[in-house]
Amino acid sequence: LAKTTQPISMDSYEGQEVNITCSHNNIATNDYITWYQQFPSQGPRFIIQGYKTKVTNEVASLFIPADKKSSTLSLPRVSLSDTAVYYCLVAISGNTGKLIFGQGTTLQVKP
Amino acid sequence: DGGITQSPKYLFRKEGQNVTLSCEQNLNHDAMYWYRQDPGQGLRLIYYSQIVNDFQKGDIAEGYSVSREKKESFPLTVTSAQKNPTAFYLCASSIDRRRNYGYTFGSGTRLTVV
Repeated sequence: LAKTTQPISMDSYEGQEVNITCSHNNIATNDYITWYQQFPSQGPRFIIQGYKTKVTNEVASLFIPADKKSSTLSLPRVSLSDTAVYYCLVAISGNTGKLIFGQGTTLQVKP
Repeated sequence: DGGITQSPKYLFRKEGQNVTLSCEQNLNHDAMYWYRQDPGQGLRLIYYSQIVNDFQKGDIAEGYSVSREKKESFPLTVTSAQKNPTAFYLCASSIDRRRNYGYTFGSGTRLTVV
């Protein structure tokens, strides 16, 4: 199974662009890369998912290089409310559908 | 609106008691999951169910039990055999268990042993 590596924590200031990079080895060519956001005492919330190159939605962009050994979540102009833990997921466990969660990246946005 | 409802949001349990956490979804998802989250940790799978009347153990099933009598409901019982039950419990459902997207999580139940 592919394993993900993310920075444990990041700091930013309001209005800045934040890029969180996730490294993933052994990712299959047909695997999707998905990012979730989790606020304290809440369940993770889907942000964005991609298969290759670049995906953009109303809250984020996801950049995936051709070798798919890493991916970058880009949050434009963050605000204080973007302070959360961000999880990069690339794998499920066989036929169970179990999501493989790492420790995630704690983003702290400062005023 | 479709979603997953977990209740209660906070639960206190005395030593030696069994408690049941509720999880209901109206998304028409076949697969449902229970995860446990400890401070500063990712999520660990307790049990999962891919279809009504069927469920399987996850990575940390000891001390827990589940049932799946209805598609919409997947309650989790934390038994007295679970030695360290204080944690944040999350229920999830998925539209397609073969992909890592399409998962919806509930808002969680925080269980504390007193």
